[in-house]
This record gives sequence, C-alpha cells and structure tokens, in this order.
Amino acid sequence: GDSVTQMEGPVTLSEEAFLTINCTYTATGYPSLFWYVQYPGEGLQLLLKATKADDKGSNKGFEATYRKETTSFHLEKGSVQVSDSAVYFCALNSGGFNKFYFGSGTKLNVKP
Amino acid sequence: ETGVTQSPTHLIKTRGQQVTLRCSSQSGHNTVSWYQQALGQGPQFIFQYYREEENGRGNFPPRFSGLQFPNYSSELNVNALELDDSALYLCASSLAQAQSSYEQYFGPGTRLTVT
Repeated sequence: GDSVTQMEGPVTLSEEAFLTINCTYTATGYPSLFWYVQYPGEGLQLLLKATKADDKGSNKGFEATYRKETTSFHLEKGSVQVSDSAVYFCALNSGGFNKFYFGSGTKLNVKP
Repeated sequence: ETGVTQSPTHLIKTRGQQVTLRCSSQSGHNTVSWYQQALGQGPQFIFQYYREEENGRGNFPPRFSGLQFPNYSSELNVNALELDDSALYLCASSLAQAQSSYEQYFGPGTRLTVT
C-alpha cells in the first residue's frame, strides 16, 4: 500500500543554518506530494506541494522537488529562522480517492 | 473566507462513553475528512464524506462513525471509548474536483482524552 517515510527527529539547527528533511514514498500510480507544517497546539498548514515528477514546490523559502526516480520529496531551506520551529509532515495523495497518507513527522528546533 | 473550525477544543471522557466532535468546513468546500493524530505521530485517515455519504474509510472499527450535513459541516462520533482513542482529532476540508491533485485544509483539532 501507499506510505510515506520521513527522517526521524528532532532536528536541531542554529539560526541561518541549511535545512534538509528527507522524505521518501511508496505509491501506486502517480501521487501528488505535500509538505505540511504543524505549530505547537495548532492544526496542519499546507506548506507546499508538487503534482508531477520534476515539479518543484516552494513557499516561504522552503523548497521540495518531486523525484520519481528516487521516490523522494525532500524539504529544504537555505537559512532557517527560530520561527520555523515546528513539526513537518510529508504526505501523499494518490488521487481518485481523496485520501492522504502522512509520514510520522519531523520536529525541527531552531536555536537563536 | 472562513477557515475550517472544530469544536470543542478539548474534551475529557471516561472509557466506555460516547463522544461527538464537530467540524465546519471551509467556505466552498464539499468534502470533509477526519484524521486521528496520536501523540508524536502523523495523522491517520479515519474516513471521508462527500455529498453527505461516506467516501472511503481507513483502518478504524465501526464504533467510529460520521455524518455530513447539507451545509457540508460534519460530525465524528466515537462509541464505547477506549484509552487508546486519546488523540488529537483533525478535520480537513477540500473541494472535490475532476483533477487528481487535492489540497486539504485542516482545522485546529479537538484534543480528546479518555480516562
């Protein structure tokens, strides 16, 4: 079945450091891929998405490229801020049936 | 444009009791999905409603049931509560269209504690 695997956290970085959070997936067909962010005590917010191979999603300085050959959708940011501290979830949607599969989340702590 | 809202924010119930959680979808959305998020885990799909009918279900027992109303708001009902039902319950709304890519918009969740 469809699934998403994320790198385990927590990830602790200093402000302005480079961020990579790895995400790989297993899916039948051609899924859409998403990154969601969850701040403490809140629901999930869509951060970015990509709907087909080689698409790059980007938002708020975050980027992720849909790599079909490696079944990956790694999240990157060139310079993190303290305000980026949150839990990040990678997710896929296989389409047709409106169901999302989420990874287990990666907690990011950014220190000043 | 009104976002997804959920009520109540927090709830404490005793094992064996029943609970109803409510969700108002984002304006213009016709599909509601419910997720269970255990502490430290990703959301797990419970079921989805489209046009007032269940449109798919995850690996949850029948004591988890739901409703969608004509205004697209939704309820999640859980009977015979168990300790393991303690979690954050998230509602997400979306607009079902012919295209394959969907965006789901999540509410803040209801934190359920079963004692």
